Amino acid sequence: DSGVTQTPKHLITATGQRVTLRCSPRSGDLSVYWYQQSLDQGLQFLIQYYNGEERAKGNILERFSAQQFPDLHSELNLSSLELGDSALYFCASSPRDRGFEQYFGPGTRLTVT
Amino acid sequence: AQSVSQHNHHVILSEAASLELGCNYSYGGTVNLFWYVQYPGQHLQLLLKYFSGDPLVKGIKGFEAEFIKSKFSFNLRKPSVQWSDTAEYFCAVNVPAGKSTFGDGTTLTVKP
Repeated sequence: DSGVTQTPKHLITATGQRVTLRCSPRSGDLSVYWYQQSLDQGLQFLIQYYNGEERAKGNILERFSAQQFPDLHSELNLSSLELGDSALYFCASSPRDRGFEQYFGPGTRLTVT
Repeated sequence: AQSVSQHNHHVILSEAASLELGCNYSYGGTVNLFWYVQYPGQHLQLLLKYFSGDPLVKGIKGFEAEFIKSKFSFNLRKPSVQWSDTAEYFCAVNVPAGKSTFGDGTTLTVKP
């Protein structure tokens, strides 16, 4: 158990819908990262927040957005969902904004039908 | 932007065989390097990391990796694999000014 929690574990929704994935970092960690893992694209970095501010952006679609709240939990919002958005979404946390190992959560498996 | 290349997509070994997984990165400055492992159905876990100092780093479960700066490489090794090492292995690089970048992963299958 890494100390990072993610909810829900599984999510099944229809195309065009919007979902919110939630992540709570390890106690004391200020940085949260979001990743998408799919069979054809591997592990793709989406976005990073550090202490409430966006710190780095990766291959995140405009239909996706995220934020980190004052209590340091983070939410990833996915809208206008398409079949290709079906994937495992991982959250990770680390103590600082760069240079440290990341601790991964168990992931949320999103299935878009 | 930095990139990470893992040359072996799928490696199949018999138990007790030695393992070496290649990882090369492209970035000219100081980097922090990591290997993560993802067991079937589980999340990624840190195997080992390199920040500075001795370029040969030891991690959990008998794994080690060697940082060769001149080759921009950080290869993962284990002298004798076990069936329980069957997993996907990811190399990652973190640079001071940017995000972490992960390789595409190498799937290791160890046959009993």
